[in-house]
Amino acid sequence: NAGVTQTPKFRVLKTGQSMTLLCAQDMNHEYMYWYRQDPGMGLRLIHYSVGEGTTAKGEVPDGYNVSRLKKQNFLLGLESAAPSQTSVYFCASSASAGSPDTQYFGPGTRLTVL
Amino acid sequence: AQSVTQLGSHVSVSEGALVLLRCNYSSSVPPYLFWYVQYPNQGLQLLLKYTSAATLVKGINGFEAEFKKSETSFHLTKPSAHMSDAAEYFCAVSYTGRRALTFGSGTRLQVQP
Repeated sequence: NAGVTQTPKFRVLKTGQSMTLLCAQDMNHEYMYWYRQDPGMGLRLIHYSVGEGTTAKGEVPDGYNVSRLKKQNFLLGLESAAPSQTSVYFCASSASAGSPDTQYFGPGTRLTVL
Repeated sequence: AQSVTQLGSHVSVSEGALVLLRCNYSSSVPPYLFWYVQYPNQGLQLLLKYTSAATLVKGINGFEAEFKKSETSFHLTKPSAHMSDAAEYFCAVSYTGRRALTFGSGTRLQVQP
């Protein structure tokens, strides 16, 4: 049982390049989330999904897109990377039953945009 | 709107001393409150959560937190710090119907030998 995994662990992009971050969970969770972590700012929600085929905007969605084609996967895309998107990105998932649910986090992806 | 304030971005204690990490929240509805720990270069791990049952919540690794509605606080404590407790700690809040968490800015705990 791997929990929540993220690919890749590190990436360096040039301004304007695109990339996709992959999050996978094997706990059959309905809810998945993408956060970014910046120094002194805690984690901020980018987008989230309440089930396969559904997504919603979080606190800081601009410049990002997401897709949830399969229940176990949640993809975060950057179409045209900017230096302001240099950050550590965390994916999380939680079950649908009961409230509040514990969110389980992946190990993170460290992205640098030059 | 809900928010979380963590007082002190860095806290340093001696090994064996009391650990106290402060968290205050603002919420217009009854909150659910969480403490997460992040070890270097790792993801976040749940320490404990308050779900409107007992106001004193015990978590993993000897940590506990007390929900005080009158003070809108959820401070994290541990009676005796270990070197292995050195990490960053995040307080977070949510409420019924909202799955996403709102995080505080974090407190980095240093434990001196």
